[in-house]
Amino acid sequence: GAGVSQSPRYKVAKRGQDVALRCDPISGHVSLFWYQQALGQGPEFLTYFQNEAQLDKSGLPSDRFFAERPEGSVSTLKIQRTQQEDSAVYLCASSFFAGDTGELFFGEGSRLTVL
Amino acid sequence: DAKTTQPPSMDCAEGRAANLPCNHSTISGNEYVYWYRQIHSQGPQYIIHGLKNNETNEMASLIITEDRKSSTLILPHATLRDTAVYYCIVRVEGDMRFGAGTRLTVKP
Repeated sequence: GAGVSQSPRYKVAKRGQDVALRCDPISGHVSLFWYQQALGQGPEFLTYFQNEAQLDKSGLPSDRFFAERPEGSVSTLKIQRTQQEDSAVYLCASSFFAGDTGELFFGEGSRLTVL
Repeated sequence: DAKTTQPPSMDCAEGRAANLPCNHSTISGNEYVYWYRQIHSQGPQYIIHGLKNNETNEMASLIITEDRKSSTLILPHATLRDTAVYYCIVRVEGDMRFGAGTRLTVKP
C-alpha cells in the first residue's frame, strides 16, 4: 500500500504477556518514529530510527520496551511483561527525510489493551 | 515538556475561518513550526510547516510572527470535517514531540 501500515490494529493481552507491534513504513522512507498515545492525550515520543540506526530512544518508558529496525525498513516495537499502564494506541510514522525537515506520515495505530 | 502552548479547546462556525494560535517563545533559529491534526481514531495528519515566512497550501495558511515566538494556523472556510485536535509542534532535530493540542469543534 501507499501509506504506513501497522499491525495488529487491535491487541488484547493479559498482564505479564509479551507483545510485538509491527510497522511497515512507506517504501524508501529514511526516518521512522514510534509514539504512545494514551486516551485523551497527545502522542508521546518513544523512539526514532534513521535507517537501521536507533538514534533516540529517550522516550521508551522502561526497559520492558524495545524497538528494532534491522534492515532499515520494517520496524517492531516489543513490550515485555505487559502492565495495565501500557494500554494505549501505539503510532508509527515515517519520513522520507532525515533530520529536521519533512512531514511525518502516520499509520492508523495499534491499540493495545492490557487486562 | 512540549515547547509550545495552545488553548485546550476552540469552537468555530461552519464556513467561517478558524484561527488557531500557538506560542513558542523559546524557539531556536533553525527550528521549524509544524502543524498536525488528529481526527478521532485516526493517526495524526500533516497540515503545514514553516520556518520564518508565512506559508499557504491547499489545506491551510500558517502565519508566523516576525520574532517567531508565536504562530497562527488559519483554516479559511472550516467544515464539519475539520473537527479534530490540532497540534502545534516545534521540531527538534530528529524527533517530533507533540503537546496536548487544541480541540477544534466546528459547529453547524
